Amino acid sequence: EVQLVESGGGLVQPGGSLRLSCSASGFDFSTYAMTWVRQAPGKGLQWVASITGTGKIAYYADSVRGRFSISRDNSRKTVDMQMNSLRDDDTAVYYCAKNSYGYYFDHWGQGTLISVSS
Amino acid sequence: EVVLAQSPGTLSLSVGERATLSCRASQSVLGTYLAWYQRKPGQAPRLLIYGISTRAPGIPDRFSGSGSGTDFTLTISSLEPEDFAVYYCQQYGASPWTFGQGTKLEIK
Repeated sequence: EVQLVESGGGLVQPGGSLRLSCSASGFDFSTYAMTWVRQAPGKGLQWVASITGTGKIAYYADSVRGRFSISRDNSRKTVDMQMNSLRDDDTAVYYCAKNSYGYYFDHWGQGTLISVSS
Repeated sequence: EVVLAQSPGTLSLSVGERATLSCRASQSVLGTYLAWYQRKPGQAPRLLIYGISTRAPGIPDRFSGSGSGTDFTLTISSLEPEDFAVYYCQQYGASPWTFGQGTKLEIK
């Protein structure tokens, strides 16, 4: 059974940093790209960042490029996202998702809440 | 960026009725790269449909997807109590991969 468990959420002040982690199990981790998707309060889903199975290529939404960095450790089956220069509008539930054979997502974690507030 | 507009925002129906949810793209979606997800409160999103019309493993056949170009539809042929949720479409043909704003399917 595929399982994705996020951790690292919490309250942070504007301009601060946070690191999210997603621990994966139940599939051949290094074969699949992984993605972070977020949902701000009262809003829809927004793709944030993705990383290929090898970890060599990362993609970012314009709103986070230069501030967020996605990485993965295939030996530990984890995917992380370092979030710097956080802003109020980064407040959201962040989901870790497993890509299928393309950039759609066949398994999702339960999400972790990031609140950016002074 | 491909903007996806879902309609209606809220759909009120009864168990056993047919639900038709719309997703319209601001430009033609590349290939067949359109997916649908179901989201229930407190749960992770669940993949229902990919490639416009292919059901994900374990998804009941009352769920079907159709469409092409800029207009796509998710149909639930006969609503079950567990189908009341929020539904999102997503295009994955061009980066940034984008989602619609969602349609809430509520019990009438």
